[in-house]
Amino acid sequence: GENVEQHPSTLSVQEGDSAVIKCTYSDSASNYFPWYKQELGKRPQLIIDIRSNVGEKKDQRIAVTLNKTAKHFSLHITETQPEDSAVYFCAASITGRGSTLGRLYFGRGTQLTVWP
Amino acid sequence: GAVVSQHPSRVICKSGTSVKIECRSLDFQATTMFWYRQFPKQSLMLMATSNEGSKATYEQGVEKDKFLINHASLTLSTLTVTSAHPEDSSFYICSAADRGFRIEQFFGPGTRLTVL
Repeated sequence: GENVEQHPSTLSVQEGDSAVIKCTYSDSASNYFPWYKQELGKRPQLIIDIRSNVGEKKDQRIAVTLNKTAKHFSLHITETQPEDSAVYFCAASITGRGSTLGRLYFGRGTQLTVWP
Repeated sequence: GAVVSQHPSRVICKSGTSVKIECRSLDFQATTMFWYRQFPKQSLMLMATSNEGSKATYEQGVEKDKFLINHASLTLSTLTVTSAHPEDSSFYICSAADRGFRIEQFFGPGTRLTVL
């Protein structure tokens, strides 16, 4: 099955700096890559996602890049704020194929701390 | 956006009892629901995938006789933890997807289970 690796496991940045979280995946058939933010005791919230036919996607301070050849994708957060502090998970999925449709394979998560 | 609810949000039970957790899609038909378990400071671990009207598919290492999943309608799936033990204490999260809607999964708020 798919294997998603995520680094770093913890990341501390000063407010206003940028944060980058990287993930790799193993199954070249994966075609959907969402990123989730999870605050303590809460549900994961989708913050951005990218499909395999796109190399980059941006939404205000958040961007995701995808390199299909190298099988890695990254989350970029610019101008970080203390409220960005949370655990971030990357995931990979194969969509449009039989019973595995929509199944997410998660990375281990990155605890991001933004210091004021 | 699509809304998924989960009930109860917290439950404390004695060892040996059974606990039922409900997951409901409130404004869309969920053809597929996923059940995850998350231990503190860890990633989401998929337990099983359930499609409406058919038996759930369990991940390797998940006891199907202990974690009973029922997905009898397009808006409701239930997870029953039978004969719960302290090691079953965890955060249980469901997600729902509609293949005809979007590829995004919508997560419930989670259920914190504590087995004494």
